[in-house]
Amino acid sequence: TQLLEQSPQFLSIQEGENLTVYCNSSSVFSSLQWYRQEPGEGPVLLVTVVTGGEVKKLKRLTFQFGDARKDSSLHITAAQTGDTGLYLCAGRRGIGGTSYGKLTFGQGTILTVHP
Amino acid sequence: SQTIHQWPATLVQPVGSPLSLECTVEGTSNPNLYWYRQAAGRGLQLLFYSVGIGQISSEVPQNLSASRPQDRQFILSSKKLLLSDSGFYLCAWVPGGEAFFGQGTRLTVV
Repeated sequence: TQLLEQSPQFLSIQEGENLTVYCNSSSVFSSLQWYRQEPGEGPVLLVTVVTGGEVKKLKRLTFQFGDARKDSSLHITAAQTGDTGLYLCAGRRGIGGTSYGKLTFGQGTILTVHP
Repeated sequence: SQTIHQWPATLVQPVGSPLSLECTVEGTSNPNLYWYRQAAGRGLQLLFYSVGIGQISSEVPQNLSASRPQDRQFILSSKKLLLSDSGFYLCAWVPGGEAFFGQGTRLTVV
């Protein structure tokens, strides 16, 4: 069972379009991160959100953490070809139990932005 | 500054051969270290994590093992590789909530 469900799995859009990627779970996370990965390289951190309802902006990227800290979204405005890549969400579980501190990843969204 | 090194970058091994992938971290002490496997550019599956020397937690039963012989060294091993062990292996250092990854090892078992 996938702890973090990402959707869509694939996204192919034209340059200039907007898009949203979702990351959902039935579990509560103490923090949630979004990463971007290029082929053949390790993922690189984009942002961390820790407070329910938190919204963070990184240029054309807007990240939101759900009020209950179970879900998150990544919105890209006016996508560019350089945004192409694999986007991964990852959650860190809260205090208590054997899962404390472990980082769990979603299955990823492959974004392709066409010129 | 802290850096994480992982090698080799690519590896082609025959079925039944042993495996040893190494990950080291510089610039920090007692790091939390993780081994992930990624199939076909998709999500990362957590294989092992370690909070200190000799402390290994396994997430899924498999043909692989991990060891933490030194504070800043984390090793992924196998005695006999299977075809299904092919994939992209990533070592990660997690100082807080965020993960910093090595460059990854592309393993192809033939």
